[in-house]
Amino acid sequence: QQQVKQSPQSLIVQKGGISIINCAYENTAFDYFPWYQQFPGKGPALLIAIRPDVSEKKEGRFTISFNKSAKQFSLHIMDSQPGDSATYFCAAVDITGTASKLTFGTGTRLQVTL
Amino acid sequence: KAGVTQTPRYLIKTRGQQVTLSCSPISGHRSVSWYQQTPGQGLQFLFEYFSETQRNKGNFPGRFSGRQFSNSRSEMNVSTLELGDSALYLCASSFRPGGGYNEQFFGPGTRLTVL
Repeated sequence: QQQVKQSPQSLIVQKGGISIINCAYENTAFDYFPWYQQFPGKGPALLIAIRPDVSEKKEGRFTISFNKSAKQFSLHIMDSQPGDSATYFCAAVDITGTASKLTFGTGTRLQVTL
Repeated sequence: KAGVTQTPRYLIKTRGQQVTLSCSPISGHRSVSWYQQTPGQGLQFLFEYFSETQRNKGNFPGRFSGRQFSNSRSEMNVSTLELGDSALYLCASSFRPGGGYNEQFFGPGTRLTVL
């Protein structure tokens, strides 16, 4: 079964610090790798995504680093803010013809303290 | 643009009953996927529909089924409910599956509690 392993399970970062969440995958056929942010009582919201032919993508304070040979990717949140406190999920998408499937990591609960 | 809507938002059922959940995708989106979210198992893929056809299916028993209508709206049904079916059921829509970038937008979910 395709798996995406995510760590850490929880993370506490001070305001202004850097939050780093790591993921590793097994299936080399994944087509792209999104990160989702979920607040309590809400559905996951797409944060940023990267294709496997790109090593880094930055959008504002959020950066994905992608290491294809190691089958690992990570999310960096620069200048972390209390409003970033949420659960973050990495995911990997397998697209085959007209079918697609998201496999999620187990999630990281981020708390940004003042 | 309105987001993905799911109804009902909360539902309480008893074991053995069946339940139907509804999802309206973002206007113009033709693909709908369903996920189950629990504290123990996380987010797990149930199935995906495109053009009224199931295109992909996760590892769930046959009690879980779905369908998609010509207007892209989708329903999922769970029959003979078990306590372990208590979860947040999420629907996600995308413009189309396959063929490149397939950004999925999630609804707020339906919280199902089975007593």
